[in-house]
Amino acid sequence: DIQMTQSPSSLSASVGDRVTITCQASQDISKYLNWYQQKVGKAPKLLIYDASNLETGVPSRFSGSGSGTDFTFTISSLQPEDIATYYCQQYDDLPLTFGQGTRLEIK
Amino acid sequence: ELQLVESGGGLVHPGGSLRLSCAASGFTFSRYAMSWVRQAPGKGLEWVSTITSSGGSTHYPDSVKGRFTISRDNSRNTVYLQMNGLRAEDTAVYYCAKGGATLLSQFDYWGQGTLVTVSS
Repeated sequence: DIQMTQSPSSLSASVGDRVTITCQASQDISKYLNWYQQKVGKAPKLLIYDASNLETGVPSRFSGSGSGTDFTFTISSLQPEDIATYYCQQYDDLPLTFGQGTRLEIK
Repeated sequence: ELQLVESGGGLVHPGGSLRLSCAASGFTFSRYAMSWVRQAPGKGLEWVSTITSSGGSTHYPDSVKGRFTISRDNSRNTVYLQMNGLRAEDTAVYYCAKGGATLLSQFDYWGQGTLVTVSS
């Protein structure tokens, strides 16, 4: 199975800050990496697919990069509504696997 | 508007069975793979099952293989998850998720989830 390791597991930042989350795959997954946002009590929402493609309707302050085993998710200017847990997920191979999540809080 | 509405969750004893349903609307259901993803209380996301658009191929992780069965009825725009031999560790919110035209793709829409509690 492909293991996905996210860091950090939690993060506290101020409104307007640039926030970066990393995700490392245990083997090469090419570009097959998605990022999801999950707010408390809600279903996950797709933000980024194929490592760097912004899902329709998602604000441009969200971005993703990387390929192979190392990936980065960035919020360019943190907004109060971005408080959530963020997950990476690989779909290069079965079983589909998620990172453990990064809980983002406002400082 | 695209919608996925899960139902069928509830309280079940260990060893029991439950069938979840997910009714889809707002898109051409028969063209897309569908999946179930679960989330135990306070934990992360875990993929549970995927079925291809035609229903001809199904896939599971080892944690549920042999106990869970995914199926779909393209005439009813509904995907199902039959869960047998339930264990306490199967307690979770179960989400239905829409995939892409191929087996491996992103989950671009999710239902609101249905809670399954396995307890005596």
